[in-house]
Amino acid sequence: AQKITQTQPGMFVQEKEAVTLDCTYDTSDPSYGLFWYKQPSSGEMIFLIYQGSYDQQNATEGRYSLNFQKARKSANLVISASQLGDSAMYFCAMDSSASKIIFGSGTRLSIRP
Amino acid sequence: NAGVTQTPKFRVLKTGQSMTLLCAQDMNHEYMYWYRQDPGMGLRLIHYSVGEGTTAKGEVPDGYNVSRLKKQNFLLGLESAAPSQTSVYFCASSYYRLAGGRGEQFFGPGTRLTVL
Repeated sequence: AQKITQTQPGMFVQEKEAVTLDCTYDTSDPSYGLFWYKQPSSGEMIFLIYQGSYDQQNATEGRYSLNFQKARKSANLVISASQLGDSAMYFCAMDSSASKIIFGSGTRLSIRP
Repeated sequence: NAGVTQTPKFRVLKTGQSMTLLCAQDMNHEYMYWYRQDPGMGLRLIHYSVGEGTTAKGEVPDGYNVSRLKKQNFLLGLESAAPSQTSVYFCASSYYRLAGGRGEQFFGPGTRLTVL
């Protein structure tokens, strides 16, 4: 069965520090995609970054990077130089050939000034 | 481009009433989805569609029906609302990547539904 696990319900980080949000997944499909989304307190869902299972390099998008360790089935999000505006819920999601997309339970990130 | 829009934004129903939530996208995406998000939780997939005229069940389909008669629209119906269906409902759409697999999802702003 497919599964996404985010083990950090909440995190506090000092502004300008880097932060890593954990995500592990389980699937038997050889082809899948991994996504991270941000949900601010205003409620909208914002796409951050994508990693394909066959991608050789870790994905990067500005201050966001994805630490993809395929053998460990982990896809951790790294935010460099955190900002106050990064305070939000962060969700990891997986999409596979089975067509059903699943989301993790999320991590609430709070940035301290 | 408006992206993904949802109507209504808020709704209060009494137990047993019915309603339809409308989702529209103007990006010509093939895939569309309906999710519910309960307080402090992630998104759970209700139903989805891989193309016009097709629908399929997600993780929590009971009590909901959907239709996709036009590519740009995806309707979610509640035939007889129950308090357990109080939630925030998100619609999303996505596309097929040229390299294979589906691209990221574009989400609507959500509909906050309360069933009394």
